[in-house]
Parts: sequence; structure tokens; C-alpha cells
Amino acid sequence: QLQLQESGPGLVKPSETLSLTCTVSGGSISSSSYYWGWIRQPPGKGLEWIGSIYYSGSTYYNPSLKSRVTISVDTSKNQFSLKLSSVTAADTAVYYCARHFWRSPFDYWGQGTLVTVSS
Amino acid sequence: EIVLTQSPGTLSLSPGERATLSCRASQSVSSSYLAWYQQKPGQAPRLLIYGASSRATGIPDRFSGSGSGTDFTLTISRLEPEDFAVYYCQQYGSSPPPYTFGQGTKLEIK
Repeated sequence: QLQLQESGPGLVKPSETLSLTCTVSGGSISSSSYYWGWIRQPPGKGLEWIGSIYYSGSTYYNPSLKSRVTISVDTSKNQFSLKLSSVTAADTAVYYCARHFWRSPFDYWGQGTLVTVSS
Repeated sequence: EIVLTQSPGTLSLSPGERATLSCRASQSVSSSYLAWYQQKPGQAPRLLIYGASSRATGIPDRFSGSGSGTDFTLTISRLEPEDFAVYYCQQYGSSPPPYTFGQGTKLEIK
């Protein structure tokens, strides 16, 4: 059974960089055709796709966040990571990692991790 | 970017009743690349429907999806207590992305 688990600091200061890692178990991140994505959800609000990466390193980002987002993959560790720079309180959210095929919905999700931006 | 608008914002119904949730897109969603998710408090979203009308693995047949173009519907034929949750639609047809979600419909017990 595929499992995804987010990890990283739960508190980040304004203007700093948010860094999260998603560890994939029960399957290989290098399996062909799969993309690995990040989605976030501010408290009490809806879902926002941040971006996705293919195991080869090809990335697609939400244009609204593109200038601040970097997603990378480490196939040796079966992990992929999110970096979001210059954060503000508006970036406070539960961050989820998830799997999808190209032009397919997200079928496996991590449990999510709350990141609060505050001094 | 395709904007998805869900209605109603909140739907109050009783167990056993039929629920009809709407998702309208600002432009046509290609090849019906439209999904529905269910989210309960403190949990990640769960995929219910993909391709506008195909049920994901393990999803009960009381859940059904329909629609094409810009208008899509999720129907729950007979509500069970565990169905009360928030439901989101998502389009994944944009190439390249972004993939976008609707703002959600909260289905609450009347």
C-alpha cells in the first residue's frame, strides 16, 4: 500500500523559506508515469495546487506561486521536497503531498502537516 | 486558468435523502477531466470520482458523477451518516497546469 508522509518545521518566520519533505513508502518514486505534487489548504479554506514534479525532475508550478516555489526530487531517498520562499502569514496552511498521473486526479495523499508563519 | 464555482456553499439534508452538488467551470473542461473529493475534518481529501463519472476504487455506488463541458454534478443517492463532509471538485485538464479546485460544498446534517 502506497503511503506518503510530510515532514518539516511547523513554524516558520515571516520572510523566511518554508521547507517540507514528502517520503514515499510502499512504492518507488521513480515509477514511470507518476507525478508527485504539493497541495495546501489554509485553515478553514479550500485547496490550492502548488506544483508537481516527475521523477526525472520536470516540474510544473502554479503561476500564482511560481516565483517563490521550488520542488525537487531525491530518488535515492524516495522523497520529494517543497521550498517556498519569502513566506507571509497568508502561507499558513496544511500542506499535503500527493501522487497523480499526468492529467489525472490525486489518488494518494499524505496526512498533511500544518505550517504556521509567525514571528 | 479555469475557475470552478461550487454550489450551494452549504447543503443541509437528513440521512436517507438525496444530495445534489454542482460544480461549474469558467471554461470547458477538456475530456471531462473533472474529479470530486470528500474531506472530513482533520483528514486529507479522498478521491471519489474521476473523469466526471467514474468511481474511484472502493467508492460505494451511491456516489455518482455526471456532466460535461462546464457543468458537472455529484449525486449521493441515499445519504449515510458518514457522508456528511466537505466536497470539492477539481479540474485536471489544463495542459500545462494549473490544476484548480472549487471552493467546496459543506454537506451537513439537518
